[in-house]
Amino acid sequence: AQRVTQPEKLLSVFKGAPVELKCNYSYSGSPELFWYVQYSRQRLQLLLRHISRESIKGFTADLNKGETSFHLKKPFAQEEDSAMYYCALFTGGGNKLTFGTGTQLKVEL
Amino acid sequence: EAQVTQNPRYLITVTGKKLTVTCSQNMNHEYMSWYRQDPGLGLRQIYYSMNVEVTDKGDVPEGYKVSRKEKRNFPLILESPSPNQTSLYFCASSLQGRGTQYFGPGTRLLVL
Repeated sequence: AQRVTQPEKLLSVFKGAPVELKCNYSYSGSPELFWYVQYSRQRLQLLLRHISRESIKGFTADLNKGETSFHLKKPFAQEEDSAMYYCALFTGGGNKLTFGTGTQLKVEL
Repeated sequence: EAQVTQNPRYLITVTGKKLTVTCSQNMNHEYMSWYRQDPGLGLRQIYYSMNVEVTDKGDVPEGYKVSRKEKRNFPLILESPSPNQTSLYFCASSLQGRGTQYFGPGTRLLVL
């Protein structure tokens, strides 16, 4: 069965420091990976997806099939990046995303 | 504004008292899902729907029912709520049933 692992519950960094939120997955087929973000008192929203290979709000994520990872990175953290981040795996069928347990990012001044 | 709405946002109830959480989307999406979010477990899918009158179980369907009589609405029904259904519930919709999903604001349920 598919699984998504986010090993860090909380990640605290200083403003301007690099950020890396880790995500590993297990799935035997061809995965589609996503990062969702939930800012305080807001709904869960899509941040980026691996097939787009885009950079959103300075964040990037590269799918590494060899290491089964999809880590989220940003070179310089901003205070407004403080939020809960969820890595999610779509494997086709059932409209289902398999989510990790989330990482709370706290950017300190 | 394109969005997914849920009502109520907060609900306290007692064991066994039937309740319904409504979900509505105005984006003409075919696919809709319900998830529950619990500490340390992330979000888990309860039920999903691929279109009107087409629904199927997700990972944790026990104790829940859904219906899809109209494309825009996908209510979640707890016929006899129990304390282990205390959770934060999210409704989501997507156009093509893939990973890009739009989430509602969440409904926090407490079953006493």
